[in-house]
Amino acid sequence: EPEVTQTPSHQVTQMGQEVILRCVPISNHLYFYWYRQILGQKVEFLVSFYNNEISEKSEIFDDQFSVERPDGSNFTLKIRSTKLEDSAMYFCASRAQGGDSPLHFGNGTRLTVT
Amino acid sequence: SQQGEEDPQALSIQEGENATMNCSYKTSINNLQWYRQNSGRGLVHLILIRSNEREKHSGRLRVTLDTSKKSSSLLITASRAADTASYFCATPPGGYQKVTFGIGTKLQVIP
Repeated sequence: EPEVTQTPSHQVTQMGQEVILRCVPISNHLYFYWYRQILGQKVEFLVSFYNNEISEKSEIFDDQFSVERPDGSNFTLKIRSTKLEDSAMYFCASRAQGGDSPLHFGNGTRLTVT
Repeated sequence: SQQGEEDPQALSIQEGENATMNCSYKTSINNLQWYRQNSGRGLVHLILIRSNEREKHSGRLRVTLDTSKKSSSLLITASRAADTASYFCATPPGGYQKVTFGIGTKLQVIP
């Protein structure tokens, strides 16, 4: 069964550094998402992406964050200048067209900012 | 987008027992979906029930939906230690709109 893949599984970075988290969504899916989960807390929506543009974003997704689908297969989340509070699991998800289509999640990237 | 509210927040049962968790939501829905999250992993879709359905089965899972009460329940029968996970409901609005999740029900199945 096709799956969403995320790399790396764990990323350690220093405060102020830029990080890029990568995702390969399921190939025929049209909607793409990034979520974040701080340890012990709920899964929080960051951003949704459709038709090569952001369709919705949360308050968390400020100017330090950006997303891109550079080549039709990868979907990336960039954090320009990481802060300690950006430490979390970041999940990519994708979804096919159709109101009944479920979200398919990757296994996440654990980002640790030191 | 609305998020479902799961109840209870935590549930601990013995292996072999049934586990029931509930979800409430506020506005009308197209469908309601249940997801599972094993510790440190991504969410996995379990089952979907449409707004015109009242009950649905998938293996050891049974989902009910009461649109008049705006609630759903997920029953896991004959639980196993591998069912230990957090369970979430979601009511996707459709299309590209965001899907949000509540705090979930943390299920522990004791061998």
